[in-house]
Amino acid sequence: DQQVKQNSPSLSVQEGRISILNCDYTNSMFDYFLWYKKYPAEGPTFLISISSIKDKNEDGRFTVFLNKSAKHLSLHIVPSQPGDSAVYFCAASANDYKLSFGAGTTVTVRA
Amino acid sequence: EAGVAQSPRYKIIEKRQSVAFWCNPISGHATLYWYQQILGQGPKLLIQFQNNGVVDDSQLPKDRFSAERLKGVDSTLKIQPAKLEDSAVYLCASSTATHSGNIQYFGAGTRLSVL
Repeated sequence: DQQVKQNSPSLSVQEGRISILNCDYTNSMFDYFLWYKKYPAEGPTFLISISSIKDKNEDGRFTVFLNKSAKHLSLHIVPSQPGDSAVYFCAASANDYKLSFGAGTTVTVRA
Repeated sequence: EAGVAQSPRYKIIEKRQSVAFWCNPISGHATLYWYQQILGQGPKLLIQFQNNGVVDDSQLPKDRFSAERLKGVDSTLKIQPAKLEDSAVYLCASSTATHSGNIQYFGAGTRLSVL
């Protein structure tokens, strides 16, 4: 069963605008959430994370929001740049080592 | 700091053949993971090592897949015999610890095509 879901397979946004990527999860035991970014022919690269004790974490142009009651998190990229074009994976873990990944959202930033 | 190294980058085999993948984790990382990523899906954990011991292999199809991590550093993942549905990217990752919130660092992966 898929415990982490990214329901939007793709997102197209104009350069300079905001990109919003969404992620839903079903396992209430998840206590840590991560976003990874993946370019073609490369492995996923860690982008940003958030603990379940927080509802927001910001790092430069990237902000992750967590809504535990809705079991939902989102990644905001502001402003979007051409180099942000990639596949973004949402991942979550419980009180163990395992990462459960979503299927990914392909972001295309248009010039 | 060197990242996670994997080889080969690409492999094409026929079904029922065997294949092996190699991974060298980041120096000092005690934990090593093998993931399978099928096209259009997220990575799925196959096996996790802590030093040279297996922590979790519950998702590893043990009738055909095997993995080892000799001396707690490099690791190999083997498939024998391969099936068509094994076509995927095999990712190796490493991390410094196993607690929740630990960041895993990924290699570029090996893309396997089974014909």
